[in-house]
Amino acid sequence: DTAVSQTPKYLVTQMGNDKSIKCEQNLGHDTMYWYKQDSKKFLKIMFSYNNKELIINETVPNRFSPKSPDKAHLNLHINSLELGDSAVYFCASSQGGDFAHIQYFGAGTRLSVL
Amino acid sequence: DQQVKQNSPSLSVQEGRISILNCDYTNSMFDYFLWYKKYPAEGPTFLISISSIKDKNEDGRFTVFLNKSAKHLSLHIVPSQPGDSAVYFCAASSHNQGGKLIFGQGTELSVKP
Repeated sequence: DTAVSQTPKYLVTQMGNDKSIKCEQNLGHDTMYWYKQDSKKFLKIMFSYNNKELIINETVPNRFSPKSPDKAHLNLHINSLELGDSAVYFCASSQGGDFAHIQYFGAGTRLSVL
Repeated sequence: DQQVKQNSPSLSVQEGRISILNCDYTNSMFDYFLWYKKYPAEGPTFLISISSIKDKNEDGRFTVFLNKSAKHLSLHIVPSQPGDSAVYFCAASSHNQGGKLIFGQGTELSVKP
């Protein structure tokens, strides 16, 4: 039973489209994250939610909007997709407080913008 | 501005020998350091961590060493096994940053039989 699951695994779309990536965790964690891994393989945090409340919002274009309907889900919606958005997006979750740095990652969503 | 750097993109080691992966950081506010392991088509998996109040943490075949004065940490794997072949990411965080991890760019370890 997958602990952190993301859908879809692959996403190929045209520039200008709007797309969403879904993430669900069944670990009972309070905190969820979105990371972006670019072509140079750097993993960079984008957002973090704790109990549905946004706590980390890095310098990310407004076209990216996270939504957390409950603490087990954190979805990522991207408007007006651009070529530079092509990357692998990872969702993660953790307990809060002193254990926040031990994060459990999903398998990633590979987004290709054509 | 890369606050966490792994200067070796790849490392090849013979099975049974020691693997040493290195990581440097620049931010003295970091107080927790971690290593994650990643197989292809999977997400990173937490491997081992160390608090800035320690200089060594060991878990089975894996040992992490922290040199705060040099702002350097390393991961030792001994003995190395073919199943250890993966990309290893170093990460750092500050306790007041709500779980924000700063990752290095990874080192691909290949353990040859």
